[in-house]
Amino acid sequence: AQSVTQPDIHITVSEGASLELRCNYSYGATPYLFWYVQSPGQGLQLLLKYFSGDTLVQGIKGFEAEFKRSQSSFNLRKPSVHWSDAAEYFCAVGAGGSQGNLIFGKGTKLSVKP
Amino acid sequence: DSGVTQTPKHLITATGQRVTLRCSPRSGDLSVYWYQQSLDQGLQFLIQYYNGEERAKGNILERFSAQQFPDLHSELNLSSLELGDSALYFCASSVGLSGNTIYFGEGSWLTVV
Repeated sequence: AQSVTQPDIHITVSEGASLELRCNYSYGATPYLFWYVQSPGQGLQLLLKYFSGDTLVQGIKGFEAEFKRSQSSFNLRKPSVHWSDAAEYFCAVGAGGSQGNLIFGKGTKLSVKP
Repeated sequence: DSGVTQTPKHLITATGQRVTLRCSPRSGDLSVYWYQQSLDQGLQFLIQYYNGEERAKGNILERFSAQQFPDLHSELNLSSLELGDSALYFCASSVGLSGNTIYFGEGSWLTVV
């Protein structure tokens, strides 16, 4: 069965510091991978997605993620964090086949210190 | 704004009651998904409809049901509500059946008291 693991429940970084959020997936075929962000009281906003091709994908708000098949990982990175990046981040894998639904990780809450 | 519209945004109801959550997908999207987000379970997939037909089922309780209408809007019906059903319910949509980007609405907050 497909699954997504986000090993870090909560991360705190200083404003201006770099960020890496970890995501590992379990999936039998080439996965569709996504990162979403949820600000408090808000819906889920798509940051970026990987379907195929270049393993380094660029997203909105200066985020990028790298697909590493050998490590079953899809880590999210940002070179310099802004206070407005404080939110919860969710990694998801597409269930594939004839089903389009996503399987989500438990999320990583990001706090940003001034 | 994702283009997915959900109503109501907030709902408070009593145990044992029934509620209906409504979703309008993005223009042109044929797939609609329902997810439940709770503190203990996280984001759980409930059900997917594609062009009016049920296509995938997740951890949806028998007390819950959904449908997608000819105009492609969808409703999630929750009945015999329990305290544990209190959660944020998301609707999402995508163009096709699978392998597409899924866009989420802002959710409907359900509080069961």
